Amino acid sequence: KAGVTQTPRYLIKTRGQQVTLSCSPISGHRSVSWYQQTPGQGLQFLFEYFSETQRNKGNFPGRFSGRQFSNSRSEMNVSTLELGDSALYLCASSLATGPNYGYTFGSGTRLTVV
Amino acid sequence: AQTVTQSQPEMSVQEAETVTLSCTYDTSESDYYLFWYKQPPSRQMILVIRQEAYKQQNATENRFSVNFQKAAKSFSLKISDSQLGDAAMYFCACQSTGANSKLTFGKGITLSVRP
Repeated sequence: KAGVTQTPRYLIKTRGQQVTLSCSPISGHRSVSWYQQTPGQGLQFLFEYFSETQRNKGNFPGRFSGRQFSNSRSEMNVSTLELGDSALYLCASSLATGPNYGYTFGSGTRLTVV
Repeated sequence: AQTVTQSQPEMSVQEAETVTLSCTYDTSESDYYLFWYKQPPSRQMILVIRQEAYKQQNATENRFSVNFQKAAKSFSLKISDSQLGDAAMYFCACQSTGANSKLTFGKGITLSVRP
């Protein structure tokens, strides 16, 4: 079966712009989580969506937002980009929320802000 | 809140040898899961092994096994018969079973395998 698909794979944006990243989960998975990965901070949790509702949110400014559609696909948006937003953004899907279901990760979107 | 600490940033192992990656964690939850993920250059995080905290028996997946010391809050990964394909970043992670819990990762360790 198809894995978790993240698009685009690479992205270069200018400071002040906004960006939208997409994540298509494994068919049947209803939970999508987003993580930011940087060399300095490691992997940090952004948010989790389940059945179109945000279930949990990490400690990120309001410039970071997300949503989930009825087909479970999810998007995250970053407005007013800053140089520090340059990172690998990973999403993970799961059948439902909770660690017992297991997560499958995508290959990420590499965002570079210049 | 949970914290996961991986104190070794890099390790190296000879092909066919055994290597142990260390991880300590802290959580106030009584029920939680622990994970080791592998991230090769392809960037996709791949689950290597997971351990349910209430299970005393250490998890094993082929060449990968863990040493789970609950009282010491230690969760190390042992890779036996190391292969070139094992070279990657390895992340230790923890997640409680509570509502709205999140997966918390350590900083990761880069493992290189010498031929």
